[in-house]
Amino acid sequence: ELKVEQNPLFLSMQEGKNYTIYCNYSTTSDRLYWYRQDPGKSLESLFVLLSNGAVKQEGRLMASLDTKARLSTLHITAAVHDLSATYFCAVATYTGTASKLTFGTGTRLQVTL
Amino acid sequence: KAGVTQTPRYLIKTRGQQVTLSCSPISGHRSVSWYQQTPGQGLQFLFEYFSETQRNKGNFPGRFSGRQFSNSRSEMNVSTLELGDSALYLCASSLDPFTDTQYFGPGTRLTVL
Repeated sequence: ELKVEQNPLFLSMQEGKNYTIYCNYSTTSDRLYWYRQDPGKSLESLFVLLSNGAVKQEGRLMASLDTKARLSTLHITAAVHDLSATYFCAVATYTGTASKLTFGTGTRLQVTL
Repeated sequence: KAGVTQTPRYLIKTRGQQVTLSCSPISGHRSVSWYQQTPGQGLQFLFEYFSETQRNKGNFPGRFSGRQFSNSRSEMNVSTLELGDSALYLCASSLDPFTDTQYFGPGTRLTVL
């Protein structure tokens, strides 16, 4: 059974600082997603990473994927308060005609002044 | 383009009752997936439907069921509600989950008393 682990579970960081969220998964997958969730809201798609070595950047967020190490990272550069949210990685698995996303535990990010 | 819509947004039920939740996908999307989100278990996959066929089912009891209609709208039903069914139920749609990002609706928050 696929297991997806994120760390840290909670991250409090000051504005302007850099930090990285890690996502480890236990079986081979060719597609990994990062989502953001604000309190009481739904999931917003941030990135989809499709292949080994893939790197995507949007604003202060950069995601990368190492399929050999089964590791994805979400790097936050010069954090601002608006980035406060919970971030989830999700690994896509496909079996025949079936597909599903397996989510990590989430990392609650709190950016303070 | 309108996003994924879910109705109702909030529901309060008592133990033993049943409930039906509805999801309308983004226009043109034929795949609909359902997820349950709870503080204890996180985000867990329930089902995936494509062109009215259930292609995948998560590890949930038979009290949880669903269907998809010819217009791609989907419903999920939970019978004989238990306290532990209290959760945020999220629906996601995609053109095809093998190749495309899943876009999530706002969710239905179910409270079982």
